[in-house]
Amino acid sequence: GENVEQHPSTLSVQEGDSAVIKCTYSDSASNYFPWYKQELGKRPQLIIDIRSNVGEKKDQRIAVTLNKTAKHFSLHITETQPEDSAVYFCAASQGGSNYKLTFGKGTLLTVNP
Amino acid sequence: GAGVSQSPSNKVTEKGKDVELRCDPISGHTALYWYRQSLGQGLEFLIYFQGNSAPDKSGLPSDRFSAERTGGSVSTLTIQRTQQEDSAVYLCASSLRGRREQYFGPGTRLTVT
Repeated sequence: GENVEQHPSTLSVQEGDSAVIKCTYSDSASNYFPWYKQELGKRPQLIIDIRSNVGEKKDQRIAVTLNKTAKHFSLHITETQPEDSAVYFCAASQGGSNYKLTFGKGTLLTVNP
Repeated sequence: GAGVSQSPSNKVTEKGKDVELRCDPISGHTALYWYRQSLGQGLEFLIYFQGNSAPDKSGLPSDRFSAERTGGSVSTLTIQRTQQEDSAVYLCASSLRGRREQYFGPGTRLTVT
């Protein structure tokens, strides 16, 4: 089955700096890659996703890049703010009849004021 | 509109007892997923329902776990003879038919003493 590795497990940055979180996946059949943000005690929230037919997607201060050949994808957050502090999860899924997600173990991002 | 809801928000039970966890998906969402989040871990897929199709139970960790979905809406996850290793946050997600985006509920925190 699919296996998703996520790095780093913790990341501390100064407000205004950029943050990058990287994930690799094992199953070349995976074609959908969402990122979720989870604040302490809250539900995971979808913040951005990318499909395998594109290499990059941006939404304001966040962007995701995908390298299908290398089977890795990354989340980039620019101009970080304290409210970006949370745990971020990457995930992967295949198409077909079941869109179940396989998640990485998460990255705790701390943005210091 | 209303998001995914789950009840109870917290459940403490004694080892060996049975528990039932409930999920109400977003209205109109035909796909429903259960995931488990253990402390410091990513989310682990448990089971998937899509409309009236047979569920994908491939993620259920043992035969003590079962789930049903009545009327294509509300779902109940049942854990029989609970063990301490069942302690985790159980998350439910739903999505529209044919769409990849999954929206999560707030979860049920289960503690087995």
